[in-house]
Order: sequence, then structure tokens, then C-alpha cells
Amino acid sequence: NAGVMQNPRHLVRRRGQEARLRCSPMKGHSHVYWYRQLPEEGLKFMVYLQKENIIDESGMPKERFSAEFPKEGPSILRIQQVVRGDSAAYFCASSPTVATNEKLFFGSGTQLSVL
Amino acid sequence: GQQLNQSPQSMFIQEGEDVSMNCTSSSIFNTWLWYKQDPGEGPVLLIALYKAGELTSNGRLTAQFGITRKDSFLNISASIPSDVGIYFCAGQKSRAGANNLFFGTGTRLTVIP
Repeated sequence: NAGVMQNPRHLVRRRGQEARLRCSPMKGHSHVYWYRQLPEEGLKFMVYLQKENIIDESGMPKERFSAEFPKEGPSILRIQQVVRGDSAAYFCASSPTVATNEKLFFGSGTQLSVL
Repeated sequence: GQQLNQSPQSMFIQEGEDVSMNCTSSSIFNTWLWYKQDPGEGPVLLIALYKAGELTSNGRLTAQFGITRKDSFLNISASIPSDVGIYFCAGQKSRAGANNLFFGTGTRLTVIP
């Protein structure tokens, strides 16, 4: 049973380009969470999705960032017109139901570098 | 956002020594969690605490949920090289759910063989 899969592991973009980060949750998990980790800091919640629905996007910047979790396929975090400040590690986590700390598993992250 | 402060920021210890780190907040949390993050990987849950005053062990790890609900500590006994990594505390308030997790700033542990 594969864990949470994120790809790419590393993504380099120039300022103004688009970044698309993918997350495939663990089998049987329908809840996906995205976090951002800046260097030397802890993870910060961005958005929570459950198949085809955004449940909580309170941590998501209002502009340029969007997320989706379609019925088929991975969850996508999309950053348009990237800026240097978007450089960070982006982690995805999944769980089978809502309130399950012990069943929340993180992926290995995507390191985004904006030149 | 919520501010969880961890100390120390980093530690260098000899293999076999015990380690103690803590996490404090100006806010009350109803759940405290401790995670370990290896380089280039996501965090992995070590211990979850759900009651004020609770003391919980997981092998060589022991964590406590502070009585005031504003702090928690993590101890590692007889450290080994594979304990190297960054340890994060995380708190949840009244509502459960991973969208209500607030992470600390981390303690970076280096174990010298």
C-alpha cells in the first residue's frame, strides 16, 4: 500500500511561470491537506479538500494560488505567476476521515525553487 | 496565526545522552502532537496527547501535555544516530482536523556518534 505520493520532488520555475504540484493520497483516503514550509519554519496549513470539494481554504493566499481534487486523479496545487517568495517546500497529507491525527500521513513534499 | 515556540532551536548531543525539548504557546490547545521530520521527507507522527497533564511514552520517547494546556515537552532517552532530524510540536484547538493543526518552529537535533 503506497504512501502519499507527491511529484515532482523538485520543481524549478522562473518568475512569472506557473507551478503545478501533484499529490496522490493513500489508497482509501478521500481527505487531502496542503501545507507550505518556508526554510527554518514549521508547516503552515493552506487548504483542505475532499473529493471535488474545497472544505477549508483559509490558509491559501487570495491570489495566484488554487487547488483542486477531482473525482479521478491526484490533487493539484497550482501557483500562477510565481514569485521568489513562493520558494518553499509544499507538503500534502491525506486521511481517510476528518478527525484522525493517527491516520494523517504526509508525503515527501515538493521543493519549489523560483529563480 | 497561532505562534508555537520551540526551544532549543538546535541541539548537538553525544550518542547515548538524553534529550529534552519543549513547546510553548500563548494560546490554549486541546491536543498536542509531536512529529519528526527527516531531511527531504514529510513529518511523521511520534506521539499524540489529548488530556492536560497526560504523560505518554513511545519507546524511548516520552511526551507530556502541560497542565496549563499552553505547553508540552518531549524527552528522548539514550539517543542514537537515527534520532537525527527536526522535531516539531503541533497543537489543535477546539476543532479537530488537520486543517486546524498549528506547527511549531522546530528543534533540529544532531547526534554525534
